[in-house]
Amino acid sequence: GAGVSQSPSNKVTEKGKDVELRCDPISGHTALYWYRQSLGQGLEFLIYFQGNSAPDKSGLPSDRFSAERTGGSVSTLTIQRTQQEDSAVYLCASSPRGGGRANEQFFGPGTRLTVL
Amino acid sequence: AQTVTQSQPEMSVQEAETVTLSCTYDTSESNYYLFWYKQPPSRQMILVIRQEAYKQQNATENRFSVNFQKAAKSFSLKISDSQLGDTAMYFCAFWNYGGSQGNLIFGKGTKLSVKP
Repeated sequence: GAGVSQSPSNKVTEKGKDVELRCDPISGHTALYWYRQSLGQGLEFLIYFQGNSAPDKSGLPSDRFSAERTGGSVSTLTIQRTQQEDSAVYLCASSPRGGGRANEQFFGPGTRLTVL
Repeated sequence: AQTVTQSQPEMSVQEAETVTLSCTYDTSESNYYLFWYKQPPSRQMILVIRQEAYKQQNATENRFSVNFQKAAKSFSLKISDSQLGDTAMYFCAFWNYGGSQGNLIFGKGTKLSVKP
């Protein structure tokens, strides 16, 4: 079956432009996560969607970052007025449910964002 | 707040030998999982092994095993009979399944090189 997919694979943009990153989770997975991986760093949590509940936005680094999930499936992460420090790999993951035990997260291949 | 520390930024091992990657964590929670993820150059995060905190027996998956020392909050990964395909970044991760957040907390990773 299909795994988590992300597009684009790579994105180069100029400072100050807005970008949209897309994530298609595994069909039927109710939980969806966005993480950011900066060079030489581990993964940093950004935002978490679980079913129809209000998303957990506690990891978003600034109000330039936002995300939405339409119809409980596809998610879009938007970064407005991009800055050079936004350059990173943005990873999306989904899981069958957000809580409970034995709840493995399946990761997509990520989008590498470069802000010039 | 939970933290995960990987003190070895880089390691190398000869093919067919054994290597151990270190991870320590800090938490006051009782209900949690610990994971090791592998990230090859393709950027795809792959789950290697998981350990549930309440289980005393160390998890094993083929050539991969862990040494889970709960009191010491230590969770090391042992790779036996190392293969060239094991070359990757390895991330230790913590997940509190008893909390409201579903996100994983990651260490900064260890870059493992397997040499022929």
